[in-house]
Amino acid sequence: DTAVSQTPKYLVTQMGNDKSIKCEQNLGHDTMYWYKQDSKKFLKIMFSYNNKELIINETVPNRFSPKSPDKAHLNLHINSLELGDSAVYFCASSGEGQPQHFGDGTRLSIL
Amino acid sequence: GNSVTQMEGPVTLSEEAFLTINCTYTATGYPSLFWYVQYPGEGLQLLLKATKADDKGSNKGFEATYRKETTSFHLEKGSVQVSDSAVYFCALSGTGRRALTFGSGTRLQVQP
Repeated sequence: DTAVSQTPKYLVTQMGNDKSIKCEQNLGHDTMYWYKQDSKKFLKIMFSYNNKELIINETVPNRFSPKSPDKAHLNLHINSLELGDSAVYFCASSGEGQPQHFGDGTRLSIL
Repeated sequence: GNSVTQMEGPVTLSEEAFLTINCTYTATGYPSLFWYVQYPGEGLQLLLKATKADDKGSNKGFEATYRKETTSFHLEKGSVQVSDSAVYFCALSGTGRRALTFGSGTRLQVQP
């Protein structure tokens, strides 16, 4: 059973397009996150949702919009993709007092 | 704000050598500290954690001790294997904020 699953695993698209990444967790956790890992492997928090409510929104361009339809899902929509958006995007989840569990990542490549 | 500093890699060791990867942190309050490991092409896996001062986290032969006086959480393993080759991330979650602040990662290469 996959605890945190992301789709797609790979996403190759052209500049200017709009794309979405989906994330689902079956751990019963109440908090979900999106992280961005750049080409140098540096990881940075983008967003965090607790019980479908946005609680962390770091300095991320408005082109990035998270959406949590329920506490088991957190999707990430990106408008007008730019070259600098190329990265690996990781979804994670955690429960109260528990460490975060990560998905396998979505590698986004902008042509 | 919170920050984590790790030693730069890559760290290259021979099999059965002793491993230390240094990690220091800056945070207000009493953060929880973590080591995550990322194998090539995979996501991050929790390796070990410590939630209060003097706690020792351990797993798969790796260990790290939460040292509040030196604000450190160094990762150690007595005898590394080729299969330990990966990128290791030190991270913290601050008081009242569950999102992780990561160090820059340290690549470990173990040669047979």
